[in-house]
Amino acid sequence: DVKVTQSSRYLVKRTGEKVFLECVQDMDHENMFWYRQDPGLGLRLIYFSYDVKMKEKGDIPEGYSVSREKKERFSLILESASTNQTSMYLCASGTSVRYEQYFGPGTRLTVT
Amino acid sequence: AQSVTQPDIHITVSEGASLELRCNYSYGATPYLFWYVQSPGQGLQLLLKYFSGDTLVQGIKGFEAEFKRSQSSFNLRKPSVHWSDAAEYFCAANSGGSNYKLTFGKGTLLTVNP
Repeated sequence: DVKVTQSSRYLVKRTGEKVFLECVQDMDHENMFWYRQDPGLGLRLIYFSYDVKMKEKGDIPEGYSVSREKKERFSLILESASTNQTSMYLCASGTSVRYEQYFGPGTRLTVT
Repeated sequence: AQSVTQPDIHITVSEGASLELRCNYSYGATPYLFWYVQSPGQGLQLLLKYFSGDTLVQGIKGFEAEFKRSQSSFNLRKPSVHWSDAAEYFCAANSGGSNYKLTFGKGTLLTVNP
């Protein structure tokens, strides 16, 4: 079974803090993705990576950056957290052949 | 623009009743199609997928979906719903090639009455 893990299930941070969300997958997938999920807005893609050190912006990259130094690990960074970044963050991984994505359990981030 | 539409925001069914969740897509060519389920506070779990071939696809948890090219639809069905099926369901599509991103519908929330 594919396993995607995220570093925290719940996180509370203060405005202006730098926040790191980490995601690890164990299936040697080439592609990894970060989404945020908000009521009424569905899933929105923040960034994705198709190889180590490679990244592409998704639909809402503003205020976020990412890092992928190893194939199995994809980090989402909030350089200076703001209250409008309070959300559920979901990481996913997938292959370049089959297109389906496998999701982690999510991190519910609250910025106060 | 490519899009996936789930017309029903919220559906309520009684336990034991049949279920059909609707999904329509707008793509130039037939995309790859997926259904995911999300229980409260959890990530998304892949229920089933359609790439080509047989238009009736079987998935996990007793779900199936039927691809209908003429209607640009990929509806999810289950003959008898269990209380544990209460969750949010997402339809997604991918156009293939070098595009690895999924386009998701906004989701349908399923409530199951005892």
